[in-house]
Amino acid sequence: EPEVTQTPSHQVTQMGQEVILRCVPISNHLYFYWYRQILGQKVEFLVSFYNNEISEKSEIFDDQFSVERPDGSNFTLKIRSTKLEDSAMYFCASSGGVPTDTQYFGPGTRLTVL
Amino acid sequence: AQSVTQPDIHITVSEGASLELRCNYSYGATPYLFWYVQSPGQGLQLLLKYFSGDTLVQGIKGFEAEFKRSQSSFNLRKPSVHWSDAAEYFCAAVSGGYQKVTFGIGTKLQVIP
Repeated sequence: EPEVTQTPSHQVTQMGQEVILRCVPISNHLYFYWYRQILGQKVEFLVSFYNNEISEKSEIFDDQFSVERPDGSNFTLKIRSTKLEDSAMYFCASSGGVPTDTQYFGPGTRLTVL
Repeated sequence: AQSVTQPDIHITVSEGASLELRCNYSYGATPYLFWYVQSPGQGLQLLLKYFSGDTLVQGIKGFEAEFKRSQSSFNLRKPSVHWSDAAEYFCAAVSGGYQKVTFGIGTKLQVIP
């Protein structure tokens, strides 16, 4: 069964450093998403991406964040200058041909900012 | 504002007992509804979804959920819980035409022998 994969599973970084979180969505999916889950809190939507551009983003997704689909298989989330409060589990998701298709989630990347 | 509420943060049940996890939503129109499960150290796995039609939906691992429009609820049920069901369960919703999935806070299920 196809699945969303994410690397790395755990990333530790120093405050102020840039990090790139990587995702490989399900191969025939067209919509891609990032969510985050701060420990003990809800899973929160960050951004959705379709046709090589952002289609929707939350107020959390400020100028420190960017997303990219650098090739036909990867989908990345970049945080330019990490802050302590960026420590969270980051989930990538993908869905099929229409925006309301079911979103399938990856296993997550745990980001720890020291 | 659109929201999903899971009133129970923790639930403990005995193995073999029945289970019901509550979920209420607040949306202008009926959203699409989902239940996801997250085992420790794992990602979010889709258990089942409701888009329209039959209000009782069947999912994987023996779970089912019932949509009740009058109560704005989408409760998850299982007739007999197994120890492997211990996990965190998230109710989620998305409005038609939008992409942002809104999650509830999650219900952590503990199963005791």
